[in-house]
Amino acid sequence: GDSVTQMEGPVTLSEEAFLTINCTYTATGYPSLFWYVQYPGEGLQLLLKATKADDKGSNKGFEATYRKETTSFHLEKGSVQVSDSAVYFCALRRRGATNKLIFGTGTLLAVQP
Amino acid sequence: NAGVTQTPKFRVLKTGQSMTLLCAQDMNHEYMYWYRQDPGMGLRLIHYSVGEGTTAKGEVPDGYNVSRLKKQNFLLGLESAAPSQTSVYFCASSYSTSGGTSSYNEQFFGPGTRLTVL
Repeated sequence: GDSVTQMEGPVTLSEEAFLTINCTYTATGYPSLFWYVQYPGEGLQLLLKATKADDKGSNKGFEATYRKETTSFHLEKGSVQVSDSAVYFCALRRRGATNKLIFGTGTLLAVQP
Repeated sequence: NAGVTQTPKFRVLKTGQSMTLLCAQDMNHEYMYWYRQDPGMGLRLIHYSVGEGTTAKGEVPDGYNVSRLKKQNFLLGLESAAPSQTSVYFCASSYSTSGGTSSYNEQFFGPGTRLTVL
């Protein structure tokens, strides 16, 4: 079945460091891909998305490129801030599915000043 | 707009007790979802609804029931709670897919309910 695999955390970085959180997927066809962020004590929020191969999603300085050849959607940010500390979830939606999402396990990011 | 709200925020149950979690949304969304979040497992879909009066099973429906009597509300029930149902429960809502296989409407999440079953 469809699945999403994320790198295990926690990821601990100093402020202004470069961030990469790896995400790979297994799915039939060509799914849409998403990154959600969960700040402490809150629900998930959509961070960015990409709906077809080679699309780049971007928001708040974060970027991810849909790589069909490597079935990956890695999240990157050039310079993290303390306020980026959160749990990040990679997710997919298979085409034709009723808006249902399949989530990865989440990666905790802790940014230290 | 309050967005998606969940009641209660925290609850402790004893094994065998029952309870209902309430989700409400004021965005006129057609679709609503219940997820559970467990350490190391991400979010898993319990049940969902594509409209008032309709419900469907998700990935992990056993031990739960749901009802969608009003468009704005989606209730999750535990008839006989078990320790394995200790989790954080999230409700979400979205517009329906607008047609075509590539369309997507963002899911908006509530703040969660932390449930402990002793």
